[in-house]
Amino acid sequence: DSGVTQTPKHLITATGQRVTLRCSPRSGDLSVYWYQQSLDQGLQFLIQYYNGEERAKGNILERFSAQQFPDLHSELNLSSLELGDSALYFCASSENSYNEQFFGPGTRLTVL
Amino acid sequence: SQQGEEDPQALSIQEGENATMNCSYKTSINNLQWYRQNSGRGLVHLILIRSNEREKHSGRLRVTLDTSKKSSSLLITASRAADTASYFCATTDFGNEKLTFGTGTRLTIIP
Repeated sequence: DSGVTQTPKHLITATGQRVTLRCSPRSGDLSVYWYQQSLDQGLQFLIQYYNGEERAKGNILERFSAQQFPDLHSELNLSSLELGDSALYFCASSENSYNEQFFGPGTRLTVL
Repeated sequence: SQQGEEDPQALSIQEGENATMNCSYKTSINNLQWYRQNSGRGLVHLILIRSNEREKHSGRLRVTLDTSKKSSSLLITASRAADTASYFCATTDFGNEKLTFGTGTRLTIIP
């Protein structure tokens, strides 16, 4: 158990819908990262927050957004969902810059 | 985009044998981390090696890093059936804390 929690574990929804994925980092970790894992693109970095502020952006679509709250939990919002958004979405956290990133169990999103 | 390639893509060995996986990357790095993923589940952190280190050990794991060749290897000694999983290397470069993942090696341990 990494100490990073993600909810829900599974999410099945229809095209055009909007969903919110939630992540709670390990106690004391200020950085939260979101990654997407799909069969065709592998593991891709989406976005990083550090102590409530956006720190880095990767291959995140405009339809996707994220935020980190004062209690350090983070949410990833995916809207206008398409079939191709079906993937595993992981959250990771780390204590300091360039330290180990510990991953949550992931949310498996299926868009029908 | 992927940072690099892992080699081999798939590896099957007998239980008790050693398994070696290689990872190559393209840019200068701050550190390199190895992860294990059991079928469709979460990523388990195995080991982190920094760019100024050449070798690290953790239990049955040994990781080497050759920055001149932009490559790393993960050795698992005395393999067990429970080691069956996909193994990924991931790098961070200076100025960016995001992890850039390799393509992974699928390891199967035959009992």
